[in-house]
Amino acid sequence: EAGVVQSPRYKIIEKKQPVAFWCNPISGHNTLYWYRQNLGQGPELLIRYENEEAVDDSQLPKDRFSAERLKGVDSTLKIQPAELGDSAVYLCASSTRQGPGQTQYFGPGTRLLVL
Amino acid sequence: GNSVTQMEGPVTLSEEAFLTINCTYTATGYPSLFWYVQYPGEGLQLLLKATKADDKGSNKGFEATYRKETTSFHLEKGSVQVSDSAVYFCALDNAGNMLTFGGGTRLMVKP
Repeated sequence: EAGVVQSPRYKIIEKKQPVAFWCNPISGHNTLYWYRQNLGQGPELLIRYENEEAVDDSQLPKDRFSAERLKGVDSTLKIQPAELGDSAVYLCASSTRQGPGQTQYFGPGTRLLVL
Repeated sequence: GNSVTQMEGPVTLSEEAFLTINCTYTATGYPSLFWYVQYPGEGLQLLLKATKADDKGSNKGFEATYRKETTSFHLEKGSVQVSDSAVYFCALDNAGNMLTFGGGTRLMVKP
């Protein structure tokens, strides 16, 4: 079974430029998550989708971040414009369904460096 | 709110040494608890989990017991190998499908 796929793996951009990250979850997983992991810290949730609906986006900085999950499968996370403080690893994860104790499966992440 | 505190690293051990990585949490209700591991250059992988008090999660020689009375979920392994070198994250899920992670503990095992 293929795991969570993310692209690109690395991205270097100048501040104020836009950037987009793509995620393909495990087949059949209805729930999709985007996390941000700053250097030396644990991941923090940005947004959670149930199918195509964003059900928890309270931690997403909506002035510059946006996300979509068309057709309830692939998802794209966008930053426009990027700031120096956005340098981090952006992780996508998926799980089969809601409920406590569900295992989330993580992709390898996209490492973003904003210069 | 929910929070997870784990011991700061790096933890440096010799091969075959005993490992303990402490993890304590703050949460209302009855969260599920997890240990994830991140090997160099790879994504986070679930190592083990426990969904109720007194449950013991185990995998690959690692164990952790859900202790509600001490709000802890310490990770242990009796004999570490060089291949166990990685960053270990303790996390909780408090019925909201949102994982709250600790800051991670880097383990370095020397031959």
